[in-house]
Amino acid sequence: SQQGEEDPQALSIQEGENATMNCSYKTSINNLQWYRQNSGRGLVHLILIRSNEREKHSGRLRVTLDTSKKSSSLLITASRAADTASYFCATAAVSGGGADGLTFGKGTHLIIQP
Amino acid sequence: GAVVSQHPSWVICKSGTSVKIECRSLDFQATTMFWYRQFPKQSLMLMATSNEGSKATYEQGVEKDKFLINHASLTLSTLTVTSAHPEDSSFYICSARRKAGGRTGELFFGEGSRLTVL
Repeated sequence: SQQGEEDPQALSIQEGENATMNCSYKTSINNLQWYRQNSGRGLVHLILIRSNEREKHSGRLRVTLDTSKKSSSLLITASRAADTASYFCATAAVSGGGADGLTFGKGTHLIIQP
Repeated sequence: GAVVSQHPSWVICKSGTSVKIECRSLDFQATTMFWYRQFPKQSLMLMATSNEGSKATYEQGVEKDKFLINHASLTLSTLTVTSAHPEDSSFYICSARRKAGGRTGELFFGEGSRLTVL
């Protein structure tokens, strides 16, 4: 079942602005990952943050994780037209049996306007 | 970086036929591969977990006789949609976990296979 919920569902901003997307989840996690998907393509892994980490940076990306609120945010700074894509958060549950594939949120569709 | 290849990237078939989709890890060994399904403008739904040398684990609501999964080697998993119907039309994406990645390591995704059933 889907447990990640991203908001907003869609976001349109001007090139150069910062884009922030949020993700909430329901169960205990081992880590949380963010992926990007261009239309009709596969997923590209962006960043992974472990449950004992609070913030992580990678280039223009900044991810935060608040396990007490079961939420994460992805910030893309100085956005570019090429950042236009759908962004998904995905959680890896704490081991407890069952399939250990990632559970994906519904995604945020980001449009960067030139 | 790790590369996962899916083939075919798109396929159109007639209702009632079976379609096989391959997922290969090109430069690493994958003990576990996952198959996802994605409808337009929706998220990825995990269908099944494929472990090399053993039977696949299917998610609730996914018919194992409809979606046959075979993981015969550490670099290849196949998904066969049997007796396909128009409602099976979807984007199927596989992902692979590197053998040394542990249970919660990074997944590498294929480019997806778009199935259209007429």
